Amino acid sequence: EVQLLESGGGLVQPGGSLRLSCAVSGFTFSSYAMSWVRQAPGKGLEWLSTISGSGGRTDYADSVKGRFTISRVNSKNTLYLQMNSLRAADTAVYYCARADYSYGSYFDYWGQGTLVTVSS
Amino acid sequence: EIVMMQSPATLSVSPGERATLSCRASQSVSSNLAWYQQKPGQAPRLLIYGASTRATGIPARFSGSGSGTEFTLTISSLQSEDFAVYYCQQYNNWLPITFGQGTRLEIK
Repeated sequence: EVQLLESGGGLVQPGGSLRLSCAVSGFTFSSYAMSWVRQAPGKGLEWLSTISGSGGRTDYADSVKGRFTISRVNSKNTLYLQMNSLRAADTAVYYCARADYSYGSYFDYWGQGTLVTVSS
Repeated sequence: EIVMMQSPATLSVSPGERATLSCRASQSVSSNLAWYQQKPGQAPRLLIYGASTRATGIPARFSGSGSGTEFTLTISSLQSEDFAVYYCQQYNNWLPITFGQGTRLEIK
């Protein structure tokens, strides 16, 4: 059974940093690109970043480029999102998701999400 | 960036009736279009990919159609568990991947 489990969310002050983790199981992690998608309270879905299966390619939405860094450790079956210079507008539920068949693809499995609140 | 526009924002339908949700892309995405269902407090769930292929375990009452810029998600006979928010997503010109703003399907 495919499972994705995010952790690391919480309350952080503006300008602060946070690192999210996504532990996966049930599939060969290194064979799949992975992404982070967020959802602000009461809003829609926003793609943030994607990383290839090897970790050699990454891409970011303009809204987080230069502030967020996606990474993965395949030996640990874990995906990360390092978030720096956080703003109130970054308050959201953050989901990790598996890209089904290619680097830029739809998402066939999602984690349950972790809430990040940026507030003083 | 490809903008995805969903209509209507809210759709009120009675159980057992058909629901038709629309998604329009600002430029052609070929058939690289997915639909997701999201219930309150839950992660999105993949329903349809490739514009018309049902994901694993998705009931046959869900169907997708369209190509290019116009897409439709049809739920043939609404069940109580189908009332949720539905999002479309394009992955053709995938950088950035973009989602529609969602359609809320509510009980009439």
